[in-house]
Amino acid sequence: NAGVTQTPKFRILKIGQSMTLQCTQDMNHNYMYWYRQDPGMGLKLIYYSVGAGITDKGEVPNGYNVSRSTTEDFPLRLELAAPSQTSVYFCAIQGIGAPDTQYFGPGTRLTVL
Amino acid sequence: EDQVTQSPEALRLQEGESSSLNCSYTVSGLRGLFWYRQDPGKGPEFLFTLYSAGEEKEKERLKATLTKKESFLHITAPKPEDSATYLCAVQAAHSNYQLIWGAGTKLIIKP
Repeated sequence: NAGVTQTPKFRILKIGQSMTLQCTQDMNHNYMYWYRQDPGMGLKLIYYSVGAGITDKGEVPNGYNVSRSTTEDFPLRLELAAPSQTSVYFCAIQGIGAPDTQYFGPGTRLTVL
Repeated sequence: EDQVTQSPEALRLQEGESSSLNCSYTVSGLRGLFWYRQDPGKGPEFLFTLYSAGEEKEKERLKATLTKKESFLHITAPKPEDSATYLCAVQAAHSNYQLIWGAGTKLIIKP
């Protein structure tokens, strides 16, 4: 998975709980992304970062927060989990080979009950 | 509005039966079009990038082509291991590297 690690692989949360999805890269790339993937839907961008200390909202940021204190790590925080956040979450990095290409981690499957 | 539509949603083929997947797009200024393969329970795996109409890329049994309105992913003599969901995404010139994704085509190759 192109040097992108995501933890945990699976998680079940109760409504109202919080958690952090971890994403770590060892490729020293500046651009990192968080997506969610729902069945039958295209990937939706939640947040992205163009470098340490710089983050910005994507298409569906509500209910999520991010931080980027280092080049390597880009954690995604869910506050007050809701059933609508049940999804598969992917972290991606950009910059290997073709400059515009994004490379993805293995994903975290989250269920909110 | 920038948009990507993939068809069909699902495609079942016999091993060796060639076919094509379609990705239609509407974007104000195309920076690049991307094809990915996704296996169940895995992250998308990069296949190709196409930048301009008329461009073609090949990899084993796969060939991607691009026009000003759509891209095709041609699969020649597919094998069961080609079974996967194929995703298409576009990057608009104004987008600061953000991608717009289609919903994917699920390809099943029967032996």
